[in-house]
Amino acid sequence: NAGVTQTPKFRVLKTGQSMTLLCAQDMNHEYMYWYRQDPGMGLRLIHYSVGEGTTAKGEVPDGYNVSRLKKQNFLLGLESAAPSQTSVYFCASSYSAGGEETQYFGPGTRLLVL
Amino acid sequence: GQNIDQPTEMTATEGAIVQINCTYQTSGFNGLFWYQQHAGEAPTFLSYNVLDGLEEKGRFSSFLSRSKGYSYLLLKELQMKDSASYLCAVTTDSWGKFQFGAGTQVVVTP
Repeated sequence: NAGVTQTPKFRVLKTGQSMTLLCAQDMNHEYMYWYRQDPGMGLRLIHYSVGEGTTAKGEVPDGYNVSRLKKQNFLLGLESAAPSQTSVYFCASSYSAGGEETQYFGPGTRLLVL
Repeated sequence: GQNIDQPTEMTATEGAIVQINCTYQTSGFNGLFWYQQHAGEAPTFLSYNVLDGLEEKGRFSSFLSRSKGYSYLLLKELQMKDSASYLCAVTTDSWGKFQFGAGTQVVVTP
């Protein structure tokens, strides 16, 4: 049981390049989330999904797109990377929404945009 | 808007007690969580409060007052490994969206 995994672990992009971050979970969780974490700002929700085939915008969705074609995978895309997107990206999943059900986090992807 | 406030940094000595406060102003409340995050690692779950009062888990306790929009995390018998960032998070709706504070960096000194 690997939990939540993310690939890649680290990436350097040039401004304008595109990339996709992959999140996979093997816990059969319905809910999946993408966050970014910047110094002094805590975790901010980018997009989330409440089930296979569904996505919704979070707090800071601009410049990102997501897809949830399979229940176990949640992809985060950057179509045209900008230096402001330099950050650590965390994926999380949970079985249900709210209540005492916590979110389980992946190890993070460190992205540097030059 | 939504606001979750916690101190930026706290320092304490090994074996001591530290209390990390969290105040929140959110539209709705479904529960409050505390997470621990070591440098370069993912957050890990510590505690959950939905009703007023104190929840105790070994060396860690968490308190909630919904009427005051206030919570604290109490770390007792501090160990060097407790040096980490502690994140306060509130869920405010039925979709499980978490609103996180910026985190409190706890530094434990010998």
